[in-house]
Amino acid sequence: QVQLQESGPGLVKPSGTLSLTCAVSGGSISSSNWWSWVRQPPGKGLEWIGEIYHSGSTNYNPSLKSRVTISVDKSKNQFSLKLSSVTAADTAVYYCARVSGYDLISWWFDPWGQGTLVTVSS
Amino acid sequence: SSELTQDPAVSVALGQTVRITCQGDSLRSYYASWYQQKPGQAPVLVIYGKNNRPSGIPDRFSGSSSGNTASLTITGAQAEDEADYYCNSRDSSGNHPYVFGTGTKVTVL
Repeated sequence: QVQLQESGPGLVKPSGTLSLTCAVSGGSISSSNWWSWVRQPPGKGLEWIGEIYHSGSTNYNPSLKSRVTISVDKSKNQFSLKLSSVTAADTAVYYCARVSGYDLISWWFDPWGQGTLVTVSS
Repeated sequence: SSELTQDPAVSVALGQTVRITCQGDSLRSYYASWYQQKPGQAPVLVIYGKNNRPSGIPDRFSGSSSGNTASLTITGAQAEDEADYYCNSRDSSGNHPYVFGTGTKVTVL
């Protein structure tokens, strides 16, 4: 079955850029799915960041849109997240997930990667 | 509106039934999906669509929806069901593709 694995630096300096990659195994990133990033600050709830389709089409959370870029590398079967101008408020566990749906009224995230903690600190 | 509201915490006696609710305008247009998250672990999908369970999810988990409210019911709660639960749906306003609920901590007594 499809598995997702996040990777990237666990520590980023304030004002820097957070960069993470999600490797997809057991399936193709070119399937009829969107691929998303979700984050969770310590002790808080889940926040959807954005998504990408294998064609390169993207959708972003309006609250983060000015700082977020999600890209796809079909040759490596992976997609990536860049978040610029980070502050301590961006400290969180970052998850990648596959998005599925049907009939345009039902959408769900499954599976999820294990998550990776990114701390913003000098 | 891009908000899904859940009760912060509920408790249930072992073997009893608990219902977790999720309220938001988008639920009038889209089904909710539900996720279970245990400490230190990634969320796990437990319900999607009208009332569908992924493979491996026990049949004590069920979902329903009415108006602007979606519900997740655990019938015969087990100790291992103690976790945080989040709902999610598309946002009908069109400005925020997806939104997660505020989360409910379920304690099994």
